Amino acid sequence: DTGVSQNPRHKITKRGQNVTFRCDPISEHNRLYWYRQTLGQGPEFLTYFQNEAQLEKSRLLSDRFSAERPKGSFSTLEIQRTEQGDSAMYLCASSPGQGPEKLFFGSGTQLSVL
Amino acid sequence: QKEVEQNSGPLSVPEGAIASLNCTYSDRGSQSFFWYRQYSGKSPELIMFIYSNGDKEDGRFTAQLNKASQYVSLLIRDSQPSDSATYLCAVNKYSNYQLIWGAGTKLIIKP
Repeated sequence: DTGVSQNPRHKITKRGQNVTFRCDPISEHNRLYWYRQTLGQGPEFLTYFQNEAQLEKSRLLSDRFSAERPKGSFSTLEIQRTEQGDSAMYLCASSPGQGPEKLFFGSGTQLSVL
Repeated sequence: QKEVEQNSGPLSVPEGAIASLNCTYSDRGSQSFFWYRQYSGKSPELIMFIYSNGDKEDGRFTAQLNKASQYVSLLIRDSQPSDSATYLCAVNKYSNYQLIWGAGTKLIIKP
């Protein structure tokens, strides 16, 4: 399988707990993105990596969110002290980085904060 | 005003007809425009992108861009029930990597 892989598919947690999601991009893609999507809305940009460098982070993202991409391969997104408003689908996408951006999305991680 | 606006629908189209989906954007500096399709419970998948005024065709899909009027549209010819999905418009605004998304238009193709 050469697509974008995300784990876990679903995560249920209690408010105040920390959660971590993993994304494995398409192997030859050097760009990686995290988006968040709630029902009836389009994806909302969270952050972007080129190789291991985090080049942009949304101004809307609080300091409870952190993302890493060590060695420029897989990436993790951590949310600390989760809140009910964090409940959403967290999507990872990768791109070959040539020409206009063409994103390839993973299946997402559905987070429910109780 | 939202940066990228789409009619939420649902838009109902008979099978075999042409489905027309529209998207307007607010920033005249926008450079690239994308249409993604999202089936219920699935992730978005890219259909087409366009960055020059005019039409761009790919099979049954045609993207149309009018920068003066700040709108981009997607036409689906010979609509099939399998085209039933939410169609998301995305615009490259600030840079080559941050996309601004509309909320999507739900399309229903009736057999």
